[in-house]
Amino acid sequence: GNSVTQMEGPVTLSEEAFLTINCTYTATGYPSLFWYVQYPGEGLQLLLKATKADDKGSNKGFEATYRKETTSFHLEKGSVQVSDSAVYFCALSEAGNTPLVFGKGTRLSVIA
Amino acid sequence: DVKVTQSSRYLVKRTGEKVFLECVQDMDHENMFWYRQDPGLGLRLIYFSYDVKMKEKGDIPEGYSVSREKKERFSLILESASTNQTSMYLCASSHTFTGSQPQHFGDGTRLSIL
Repeated sequence: GNSVTQMEGPVTLSEEAFLTINCTYTATGYPSLFWYVQYPGEGLQLLLKATKADDKGSNKGFEATYRKETTSFHLEKGSVQVSDSAVYFCALSEAGNTPLVFGKGTRLSVIA
Repeated sequence: DVKVTQSSRYLVKRTGEKVFLECVQDMDHENMFWYRQDPGLGLRLIYFSYDVKMKEKGDIPEGYSVSREKKERFSLILESASTNQTSMYLCASSHTFTGSQPQHFGDGTRLSIL
């Protein structure tokens, strides 16, 4: 079946550091890929998405590129801020009647 | 903007009670979902529905049921609450299952069963 594997956290970075959160997936077809973010006390919000190979999703300084050859969708940001502290979830969805499949989440803490 | 509203942010109930968690979305989405979120386990799908009066079991349906009488409302029911159902419950909705449509989430209900 389909699955998503994320790097385990927590990840602690200093402000302005470079961020990478690894995400790899297993899918039988050609999924769409998503990154969601969950700020403390809130639900999940869509951060970015990519729907086909080599697509790059971007939002709020975050980027991720859909790499079919390595089945990966790593999240990156060049300079993190304290306000980026949150839990990040990688997810995939295949066409047809299948819900999103989520990774377990990676907690990021950014310290000033 | 899509709004998914969960009826309670925090809820405390007793073992054996019947518990209702309500979720309403305002964007005419066909699909609605219930997840629970636990530390170290991520999000686990309980039930989902892709149409009124339709329901499908997710990964962990035991001890839960759902109701979808109207398109905008999806209710999660704990038939006889137990302490192992203490968790954060998240509702989500989305447009058709086209793969590229994201899910929109409510703010969650933190449920404690005593």
